[in-house]
Amino acid sequence: GNSVTQMEGPVTLSEEAFLTINCTYTATGYPSLFWYVQYPGEGLQLLLKATKADDKGSNKGFEATYRKETTSFHLEKGSVQVSDSAVYFCALSFLGYSTLTFGKGTMLLVSP
Amino acid sequence: SAVISQKPSRDICQRGTSLTIQCQVDSQVTMMFWYRQQPGQSLTLIATANQGSEATYESGFVIDKFPISRPNLTFSTLTVSNMSPEDSSIYLCSVVGGTGDTEAFFGQGTRLTVV
Repeated sequence: GNSVTQMEGPVTLSEEAFLTINCTYTATGYPSLFWYVQYPGEGLQLLLKATKADDKGSNKGFEATYRKETTSFHLEKGSVQVSDSAVYFCALSFLGYSTLTFGKGTMLLVSP
Repeated sequence: SAVISQKPSRDICQRGTSLTIQCQVDSQVTMMFWYRQQPGQSLTLIATANQGSEATYESGFVIDKFPISRPNLTFSTLTVSNMSPEDSSIYLCSVVGGTGDTEAFFGQGTRLTVV
């Protein structure tokens, strides 16, 4: 079956540090890939997405590139802020955008 | 975008009882989805709820344990029946929307603790 594996957290960084959260997937075929973010006390929000190989999704300074050869979709940001503290979920979908397979989530804590 | 209101936001329940979670969407949608997030685990799809028909359950989830109602195109409920501590999780409602239905939207979730 389909699965998503992402690095365990928490990831603790100082403000302005570089962020990488690793995400790899197992799937038959070529899924669409997503990063969702959950800020404290809020629901999940779509952060970025990529629908085919070599696509780069980007939003709010975050980027992730769909790498078919390594089945990866790593999330990066050049300079994190305290306000980026949240839980980040990597996910994939085949059936349009409805049913998603999620990773376990990675908590990011950014200190001033 | 779709705005989803989910309630209750949290509850502590006695084992053996049932809890009904409500999900209200600010627009009409064909399908609504219910997910569970157990402590330290990823989100797992419980079922898909279509208006006017029975919900479709994923492997490992059954209607007797998680009955779902979908009375109209903006509302759904999920009941967690005969609860045990293993049911302690966050339950989330989700819909697909946006331009071309290219985004999944989530409610804030219901944090359930069974004691």
